Amino acid sequence: GESVGLHLPTLSVQEGDNSIINCAYSNSASDYFIWYKQESGKGPQFIIDIRSNMDKRQGQRVTVLLNKTVKHLSLQIAATQPGDSAVYFCAGPRGRDDKIIFGKGTRLHILP
Amino acid sequence: GAVVSQHPSWVICKSGTSVKIECRSLDFQATTMFWYRQFPKQSLMLMATSNEGSKATYEQGVEKDKFLINHASLTLSTLTVTSAHPEDSSFYICSAAMETQYFGPGTRLLVL
Repeated sequence: GESVGLHLPTLSVQEGDNSIINCAYSNSASDYFIWYKQESGKGPQFIIDIRSNMDKRQGQRVTVLLNKTVKHLSLQIAATQPGDSAVYFCAGPRGRDDKIIFGKGTRLHILP
Repeated sequence: GAVVSQHPSWVICKSGTSVKIECRSLDFQATTMFWYRQFPKQSLMLMATSNEGSKATYEQGVEKDKFLINHASLTLSTLTVTSAHPEDSSFYICSAAMETQYFGPGTRLLVL
């Protein structure tokens, strides 16, 4: 079936460096992707989204890149801060009904 | 804007009892809300779609008689876990869609 998934379960980044979190998807017809941040014990928080007619979208300190050729997207966080420590999920519509499904998540650790 | 609340934030109950969880969209109307379940260190799994004024649609493997969903108004959906057992202990998260999905803070259920 359709899926979205992250490449790494954990990622450790030095404070101040840039973080790059990767995600792959299987449904080539997917036209919308979302990145969520989930802190411990809380619900997912919307970070940024991108539609398939775009290759790149920027927000505050975050950039999402979409490569439809290889069905891959990434979330880049600039100047990573301690408050960025969380689990990051990519999400997208599954094919049969466009309901949003989640990848496994990448836990981002910030090193002092 | 786009705030979703849940109540209670956590609940402990005895095995065999029923627990009701409320999900409210505070500043927008949502004809569709979603209920997810998340086990520790795992991703969010979609349980059901709550439709205002009609029956909920459940994902494969989710017992509709076990997890009763009522979408009484455009701002309120409730999930009732009936005859709860320890294996129902989990983090339950709702979301409401307004262009994109916004999530509530989650409800942690512990069944003793």
